[in-house]
Amino acid sequence: GQSLEQPSEVTAVEGAIVQINCTYQTSGFYGLSWYQQHDGGAPTFLSYNALDGLEETGRFSSFLSRSDSYGYLLLQELQMKDSASYFCAAPSTGGFKTIFGAGTRLFVKA
Amino acid sequence: EPEVTQTPSHQVTQMGQEVILRCVPISNHLYFYWYRQILGQKVEFLVSFYNNEISEKSEIFDDQFSVERPDGSNFTLKIRSTKLEDSAMYFCASRKQGSLWEKLFFGSGTQLSVL
Repeated sequence: GQSLEQPSEVTAVEGAIVQINCTYQTSGFYGLSWYQQHDGGAPTFLSYNALDGLEETGRFSSFLSRSDSYGYLLLQELQMKDSASYFCAAPSTGGFKTIFGAGTRLFVKA
Repeated sequence: EPEVTQTPSHQVTQMGQEVILRCVPISNHLYFYWYRQILGQKVEFLVSFYNNEISEKSEIFDDQFSVERPDGSNFTLKIRSTKLEDSAMYFCASRKQGSLWEKLFFGSGTQLSVL
């Protein structure tokens, strides 16, 4: 089976840097994605890592270590609007579905 | 950017009633999905659909659920006899290609309340 574990919530202050971790167990591995979801909204894609290393997109970066079955999302220069839930996600072995972690609720304080 | 659209945004129904949730995926996408999310919980996979047939389904997707793509643009989820525990936000999603790194585009969801 597959599972993705991430912390339930993280709190940080505006302007700071925060890291949201995700560990996974999968029978086959095809990469790790990150999605953002604001309250009442739909999940929106942030990033995807197929290979080890860091992918940077503006203030957001995502990292993957396949040997450690571990990835993280790094948010820099936090803004109030970054308060949301963040989900790590991975395609299934057959590729026909993407499964999601339970989500990390990020609270950004002034 | 193109969008996945879902209707209705809210649906209230009585237990035991049938509901149909509607979705219009992005036009050149080939893979279609239904997910659901109970308030404050994870996004749960229900079913994937490709080439006019179900490609994978979860244990949640029992005989009470069915999906259709009746006319090449709409993609529907039917719940035949709703239960209280079916109350959730239902998201439709689509993906352009089979590449595993292709991102999922989600609709804004239908909030289903079963009374």
